[in-house]
Amino acid sequence: GQNIDQPTEMTATEGAIVQINCTYQTSGFNGLFWYQQHAGEAPTFLSYNVLDGLEEKGRFSSFLSRSKGYSYLLLKELQMKDSASYLCAGLDSNYQLIWGAGTKLIIKP
Amino acid sequence: IAGITQAPTSQILAAGRRMTLRCTQDMRHNAMYWYRQDLGLGLRLIHYSNTAGTTGKGEVPDGYSVSRANTDDFPLTLASAVPSQTSVYFCASGNGRGDTDTQYFGPGTRLTVL
Repeated sequence: GQNIDQPTEMTATEGAIVQINCTYQTSGFNGLFWYQQHAGEAPTFLSYNVLDGLEEKGRFSSFLSRSKGYSYLLLKELQMKDSASYLCAGLDSNYQLIWGAGTKLIIKP
Repeated sequence: IAGITQAPTSQILAAGRRMTLRCTQDMRHNAMYWYRQDLGLGLRLIHYSNTAGTTGKGEVPDGYSVSRANTDDFPLTLASAVPSQTSVYFCASGNGRGDTDTQYFGPGTRLTVL
């Protein structure tokens, strides 16, 4: 079956760095997405990885290891506005997104 | 219109009633999607459309139907609502395959079925 696993909740301190992990099992693989979702709002796109390695985009970076079925989202210089849920999603062989349940990130001052 | 819109924002519905959730995008995206999001679960695909005139079933299609008469609109209909359909419904659109598969989401419809 297809499955996306990520931690349910994480807590971090303002100004610090946090890494949110995601492991995936999909039927075929056409890439890995990360989305951010603030409470009561729609998900918004953060990153897409299809090749192994690190993609950096400002304070956010995303890493992919296809051989390990593993990805992480790295958030640096945390700000209070980064408090949100972070959704990991794998794109399967039919180009359908398989979504994880999301990781709720709590930022403390 | 800028992006993707959904209506209504929220709705309380009696069980057994028929309801259509509306979704409109102005980005000329080929593909559109309907998801439901429930607490503790990931987004689950209900139905999708890869291009105008075609639709497909997702992971949880039972009790729902869709149509795609044109590029912009993708309504979702609950023929006879049941309490288990209480959820937040998101419509999304995207270009389709490859690295342009980024999906853009509407603001959601919060539906309560009593």
